Amino acid sequence: GNSVTQMEGPVTLSEEAFLTINCTYTATGYPSLFWYVQYPGEGLQLLLKATKADDKGSNKGFEATYRKETTSFHLEKGSVQVSDSAVYFCALRPGSARQLTFGSGTQLTVLP
Amino acid sequence: SQTIHQWPATLVQPVGSPLSLECTVEGTSNPNLYWYRQAAGRGLQLLFYSVGIGQISSEVPQNLSASRPQDRQFILSSKKLLLSDSGFYLCAWKQGGTNEKLFFGSGTQLSVL
Repeated sequence: GNSVTQMEGPVTLSEEAFLTINCTYTATGYPSLFWYVQYPGEGLQLLLKATKADDKGSNKGFEATYRKETTSFHLEKGSVQVSDSAVYFCALRPGSARQLTFGSGTQLTVLP
Repeated sequence: SQTIHQWPATLVQPVGSPLSLECTVEGTSNPNLYWYRQAAGRGLQLLFYSVGIGQISSEVPQNLSASRPQDRQFILSSKKLLLSDSGFYLCAWKQGGTNEKLFFGSGTQLSVL
């Protein structure tokens, strides 16, 4: 079956620190991979995606590279800001499926 | 612009009571609609999706049901809640076809006591 494993949080960083949130997956075929973000009091939003191996998704200073050999899609940002405090979800969608499979989410808190 | 409304934001219900969570979408037509649940410590799980009025697909067997009485309305229900129904419920929509962008509501935190 399909599954997504995300590093457990919570993660607390100081402003301008480097961020990595690990995500690995198990899937049949060649899935598309996503990172979603949920800011306090808001719904989930698509942050970035990658649809094939070696693709790099990027948005708002965040990046994630689709690594087929390690079945990973780690989220990184070089310098986090307080406004990045949120819950981050890794997700996959198998090629022919309608639905997403999500990880358990990682709470990030950035301190000034 | 499109918006999605989900209510209530929080709900505390006793075991055995009924449930009705409502989700409406504005600013679009013929959306695909979804109900997800996140139980404590687990990932988001797809419960139901709908590609049109009256068309409901269930992804997992459970104590819940869904209905789509109108194009932009999606309702999650239960006749008798169980303790295991506690969790965070999210409604979502996207356009049909290959557009992958999902738009989520703000969620409902359900506590069954």
